[in-house]
Amino acid sequence: DIQMTQSPSSLSASVGDRVTITCRASQSINRYLHWFQQKPGKAPKLLIYGASTLQSGVPSRFSGSGSGTDFILTISSLQPEDFATYYCQQSYKFPRTFGQGTKVEIK
Amino acid sequence: QVQLVQSGPEVKTPGSSVKVSCKASGGTISTYGINWIRQAPGQGLEWMGGTIPLNAIPNYAQKFQGRVTITVDESTNTGYMEVSRLTSEDTAVYYCARDESADTGLGDWGQGTLVTVSS
Repeated sequence: DIQMTQSPSSLSASVGDRVTITCRASQSINRYLHWFQQKPGKAPKLLIYGASTLQSGVPSRFSGSGSGTDFILTISSLQPEDFATYYCQQSYKFPRTFGQGTKVEIK
Repeated sequence: QVQLVQSGPEVKTPGSSVKVSCKASGGTISTYGINWIRQAPGQGLEWMGGTIPLNAIPNYAQKFQGRVTITVDESTNTGYMEVSRLTSEDTAVYYCARDESADTGLGDWGQGTLVTVSS
């Protein structure tokens, strides 16, 4: 199975901060990498697919980059509604594994 | 946009089985992939298995092979996921989610179904 490792596992940040979350795959996954946001008690929401394509309706402060094994999710200016847990997922091979998540908390 | 509506919460005893449904509206279920993901209390997301568009043959995570069965009923536009031989470690919220291809991501999710396994 392809292992997905996110870092950090958690972070504290202030409104307006630039935040970056990394996701590393245990083997090359081309650009079959997607980012999700999950708030407590809610289903995950797709933010970015194909490593860098913004899902419709997602604010432009979210961006994604990378290919192969290393990927980054960037929030350019953190907003109050962005405090949540973020997950990466690969769809290059079955099983379609998730990273362990990164919790973004208020500083 | 496709909407996915899941069946309601379940309470099961250890050793029993549970079958969760995921009804799709706004699209034809066979034209997209249906994935099943679970989340134990306080834990992360775990991909269990799923189908790919136009191919109802499911793929499973090794951990669930032989204990989880994923099916699709095209006549009712509904996907199903059955877990057998339940233990307390299967207590979780179970989600269905759909994608149109491997490179488009899971764009639509069901609301989740809480399955509690307790004696």
